[in-house]
Amino acid sequence: SAVISQKPSRDICQRGTSLTIQCQVDSQVTMMFWYRQQPGQSLTLIATANQGSEATYESGFVIDKFPISRPNLTFSTLTVSNMSPEDSSIYLCSVERGPNYEQYFGPGTRLTVT
Amino acid sequence: AQSVTQPDIHITVSEGASLELRCNYSYGATPYLFWYVQSPGQGLQLLLKYFSGDTLVQGIKGFEAEFKRSQSSFNLRKPSVHWSDAAEYFCAVADPGIISGGYQKVTFGIGTKLQVIP
Repeated sequence: SAVISQKPSRDICQRGTSLTIQCQVDSQVTMMFWYRQQPGQSLTLIATANQGSEATYESGFVIDKFPISRPNLTFSTLTVSNMSPEDSSIYLCSVERGPNYEQYFGPGTRLTVT
Repeated sequence: AQSVTQPDIHITVSEGASLELRCNYSYGATPYLFWYVQSPGQGLQLLLKYFSGDTLVQGIKGFEAEFKRSQSSFNLRKPSVHWSDAAEYFCAVADPGIISGGYQKVTFGIGTKLQVIP
């Protein structure tokens, strides 16, 4: 498995501001993933982050809104920019481990935008 | 494209009773299958996984799941539920044949919220 931490665990932000979420893994990983879990819904993949290259975004998500950094093999950040109440969600990072690429998740960041 | 259906959004069981959470998937071959649990305010924890071989897989916390190819199902079971099992459970599927861009894309179901009553 993997030990993954996220900061902050929760935050309440005002409309129009930005929040950067940090994800730290206990050992080096190639791929890191960022998901969004809106209230009452399942997980939706925002983007994948490979160290040393630009993040790859899923349909419906753009870099201007969700810029991602991946400066090394144990750390990544996701910024939620120019927030609106619709961005209120839990944001989770995950990593792949094991021979069959199973994913392990961090505890999540609960974001509320007012 | 692969998809996952969890037909029960909310289930209530009595403590000590047995539990079965349903999961059906849509995929042309045998996918990789997972069950995750999310306790309130927590991230997702991997309960168990199926890749190949024995169709009955054992997981953590006393859970098991059975892969039934003929029914395209991967139902999660526990013989006796504890109050601490109250959480949301997500079934997920991944395509073993596609490692797109170096990773395996996982599709999650909408989740089943389990309530345990004394």
